[in-house]
This record gives sequence, C-alpha cells and structure tokens, in this order.
Amino acid sequence: NAGVTQTPKFQVLKTGQSMTLQCAQDMNHEYMSWYRQDPGMGLRLIHYSVGAGITDQGEVPNGYNVSRSTTEDFPLRLLSAAPSQTSVYFCASSDRVLYGYTFGSGTRLTVV
Amino acid sequence: KNEVEQSPQNLTAQEGEFITINCSYSVGISALHWLQQHPGGGIVSLFMLSSGKKKHGRLIATINIQEKHSSLHITASHPRDSAVYICAVRLNNDMRFGAGTRLTVKP
Repeated sequence: NAGVTQTPKFQVLKTGQSMTLQCAQDMNHEYMSWYRQDPGMGLRLIHYSVGAGITDQGEVPNGYNVSRSTTEDFPLRLLSAAPSQTSVYFCASSDRVLYGYTFGSGTRLTVV
Repeated sequence: KNEVEQSPQNLTAQEGEFITINCSYSVGISALHWLQQHPGGGIVSLFMLSSGKKKHGRLIATINIQEKHSSLHITASHPRDSAVYICAVRLNNDMRFGAGTRLTVKP
C-alpha cells in the first residue's frame, strides 16, 4: 500500500547511544519532514527536506541530523541520545502543492 | 504566546450533536491543515485550506484569512469521531501546530 513507512515502532536507548529512525515513502513526494510529539507540547518540526539533497532545520533541530540522498528515504539520526529526546516521532510527506500530508505510524522512543 | 491556539482543549458531546473546534493563529501562513489523531496514535490529514471552505462527508472546514481564524465542524457526531483534532499552519516550508482538541463523543 502506498504511504509512509516508519521503523522501528518502539525503541529504548541508553543515554549516549546513537540510532537512526527510518522513514520511506513511495508516493514520489518532494517534501518530507520529521516531528516530535510530547505531552502538552503538541507536534514540533525537527527537520524537513524539499527534495533529494536538500534539508533544513525546523523548530527543534538540536541533537538530530538528517540526510536526503533519495526522494524516497529521509532518515533521522540521533548521534548521542539524551533523556530529553524521549518522545513519539512522526515522519510525514507531501507534494507541497495540492494535497495534505501523509503521516507515518510513529516511533515511540524512550531514552533511559 | 503560541503561534497557533486551539479551543476548546477538551470537548465532550453526545452522539448526534454539532461540533465546532476553533483555531486562531498569529502569523502569516501559506496554508492551514486540520489533522485527526486517533486514540491509537495515527495521524490523518483531514483538510488543507488556503481560503474559503471545504467539505468532506460530515466534516466542514472554514478559514478567514483576514481574521486569522479557522473552524472545523462535525455534523451529526458519532462515537467514532472521538479523537484529537490538530490545527497546523504552514509557513512556507515550516509548520506550527496547535496543542490539539480532544473530542469525546458519547453514545
């Protein structure tokens, strides 16, 4: 089925560990983005990309890196996990012009 | 002050009632989105608006650009409409989100 695939769905990390959250879409969307959702804070944009080879920072980029080597994939890297990065992470894609966003199912990350 | 304010925060209705959720924003935007987050956590995009009004089934979304205000209406509400409804504004490539309105529809 066409859509946005996020992996893993759940992850527990120790402080200081690194990991990559994967996001892939098969709709040929130009725009992809990562958000975190915290209780009482709502969704916040971490990083976004308007096409392969182009990335930019959102509202809360510190502690996260991204790359966009292909149209389909937009991984989010945590280089040294901190407890403050405990959150639910969503990836989304859009064609930016006519349609709304398609969201992945989310990754629940706990940093201990 | 948040750039996107939603009201009410929580809303409980009886099945069949007409529901209105409001969204006010303080910045210039290129578009406004209404999202639905199910109790299981998945997020679905309901509407994208840049002007006027859109309707999809029992859902209606309106936007007043001059007043920087949007409303989401649900007619003949049903328990399956129970979810968190989130307003989001697009600032070119950036997005700002409201805190969400938790709707519970009782049978």
